[in-house]
Amino acid sequence: EADIYQTPRYLVIGTGKKITLECSQTMGHDKMYWYQQDPGMELHLIHYSYGVNSTEKGDLSSESTVSRIRTEHFPLTLESARPSHTSQYLCASSGQGAGNSPLHFGNGTRLTVT
Amino acid sequence: DQQVKQNSPSLSVQEGRISILNCDYTNSMFDYFLWYKKYPAEGPTFLISISSIKDKNEDGRFTVFLNKSAKHLSLHIVPSQPGDSAVYFCAASGDGNAGNMLTFGGGTRLMVKP
Repeated sequence: EADIYQTPRYLVIGTGKKITLECSQTMGHDKMYWYQQDPGMELHLIHYSYGVNSTEKGDLSSESTVSRIRTEHFPLTLESARPSHTSQYLCASSGQGAGNSPLHFGNGTRLTVT
Repeated sequence: DQQVKQNSPSLSVQEGRISILNCDYTNSMFDYFLWYKKYPAEGPTFLISISSIKDKNEDGRFTVFLNKSAKHLSLHIVPSQPGDSAVYFCAASGDGNAGNMLTFGGGTRLMVKP
């Protein structure tokens, strides 16, 4: 049973539209992440947060923005979608502590911009 | 420059035989390594990890080997089962907390034939 939820699972939208991808986790994790993955490629970190009101950009430049107003919620927003934004977006979270804190992933949102 | 590489995009193995998935890394600061398994239309799930102070970690049918001098790790699955068919991602972290800034490889698609 998933403890981290992403909606929608699939989204097809036209160019120029504003979209928000939702991500919520029920594990009380402080750290949350957004990864972007194209088919057959590695996962690239685009945003992360270490807690409420903390957001940072990842190693892959992205035109999306994120917010962290509540611990459990980490939405990603694209103000004006473009075909180049077509990809799979994966949200993840992790708890505190050293050594044994692997990421827990949601099932992803597959975005297609036409 | 890709810091974590999985040079085999796909691997086909007969049921009951051993599957060996390989991963190479270039960053000597990496000290924690993980393997994730991903089914289609789902997010990656954590499989097994290893710290750089070890050279082997075993969990049931899954064993991860780490060769620090060669900057190489491998995942062995014995015996392979059809349900193991998935994409396997190798990931590396630069400090003791595996939840921090994982760098992923491009994945290897494993197909286990009945």
